Amino acid sequence: EPEVTQTPSHQVTQMGQEVILRCVPISNHLYFYWYRQILGQKVEFLVSFYNNEISEKSEIFDDQFSVERPDGSNFTLKIRSTKLEDSAMYFCASTRSDGYTFGSGTRLTVV
Amino acid sequence: QQQVKQSPQSLIVQKGGISIINCAYENTAFDYFPWYQQFPGKGPALLIAIRPDVSEKKEGRFTISFNKSAKQFSLHIMDSQPGDSATYFCAALYNQGGKLIFGQGTELSVKP
Repeated sequence: EPEVTQTPSHQVTQMGQEVILRCVPISNHLYFYWYRQILGQKVEFLVSFYNNEISEKSEIFDDQFSVERPDGSNFTLKIRSTKLEDSAMYFCASTRSDGYTFGSGTRLTVV
Repeated sequence: QQQVKQSPQSLIVQKGGISIINCAYENTAFDYFPWYQQFPGKGPALLIAIRPDVSEKKEGRFTISFNKSAKQFSLHIMDSQPGDSATYFCAALYNQGGKLIFGQGTELSVKP
């Protein structure tokens, strides 16, 4: 069964540093997403991406965040200057219509 | 209006029992209601989903009951097993390709 692949599985970074989280969505999917889950809490939408541009973003997705699909297969989330409160699990997801597939996530720890 | 409210927050069920998790929504534009299962350290995995034109959908031991007039839907897990112990999220979507709105999650523990 096709999978959404995320790397790294765990990243520890110093506050103020830039991080890039990487995802390889399912190849024939058209819509791509990043979600965030703070430990023990619900899954929160960050941003959706379609046709090489952001289609929707949440209030969480401020100027510190950016997304890119640089080569037609990878989908990245960049956090420019990390804060302690950015510590969370970040999930990439993709879909062709409405059956979303999530990756296993990247646990980001900001120290 | 964008919220999906889920209850209970946690649930303990004996092996072989029925687990029931409930969700309620406000936005009548939602037209797709999936349930996700999440194990620790893993991403949410689609379990079963329903559209509002049907009142019930069953897949194996998992059933979604949908009440459009009450704007509520629920997940029933029959013959619950210890391997079902996980966090379950309901969600809602109102346009293809749009964002999923998740409930707060229910941590299910099935005791042997």
